[in-house]
Amino acid sequence: DGGITQSPKYLFRKEGQNVTLSCEQNLNHDAMYWYRQDPGQGLRLIYYSQIVNDFQKGDIAEGYSVSREKKESFPLTVTSAQKNPTAFYLCASSIWREVGQPQHFGDGTRLSIL
Amino acid sequence: QQQVKQSPQSLIVQKGGISIINCAYENTAFDYFPWYQQFPGKGPALLIAIRPDVSEKKEGRFTISFNKSAKQFSLHIMDSQPGDSATYFCAAGQGGSEKLVFGKGTKLTVNP
Repeated sequence: DGGITQSPKYLFRKEGQNVTLSCEQNLNHDAMYWYRQDPGQGLRLIYYSQIVNDFQKGDIAEGYSVSREKKESFPLTVTSAQKNPTAFYLCASSIWREVGQPQHFGDGTRLSIL
Repeated sequence: QQQVKQSPQSLIVQKGGISIINCAYENTAFDYFPWYQQFPGKGPALLIAIRPDVSEKKEGRFTISFNKSAKQFSLHIMDSQPGDSATYFCAAGQGGSEKLVFGKGTKLTVNP
């Protein structure tokens, strides 16, 4: 089955620690996205990538970093500079620049502070 | 300019009733308006979407109504069922699905 796999499902971060969230897709989509979801806040875009080895900042990129070395993979690192990392993180992918194509989401990673 | 305002924040409906969720936008360049459904602990899933060249789109019990002049669109769920209980997000995009702007969501509860 084609889809998006996020791992781990739950993640705990210690003070001063960087953590990396995994996102893999087998939909052959060009574009991938990372969103942060907080209660009552909707989905806010952290980073997105249109093509391998290229990515763009979203609305709340501070304290986060990404890489796109392979079409299928778009890992997100939550750095120690992100002072309020507790949230539900969602990865998505889509066909790029084709009108009417939806974003497909993974089932998220819930990050908490220890 | 980039915001999508969604209301209400929460909604309680009896089984068999109609659920209505509204969204408004400012950016007239938006040309793609999807609705997503999210169950607890899961990622959002596309429910239905509309382009501005039509005023209404229906898929089963779900209908999007679109008012281009008022810059508003709404989701109607007919014959609401307890299984429809979820959080619903409207979104708006430009030139395809790149950089969707999401509303803050509506938590729908359908009582049996």
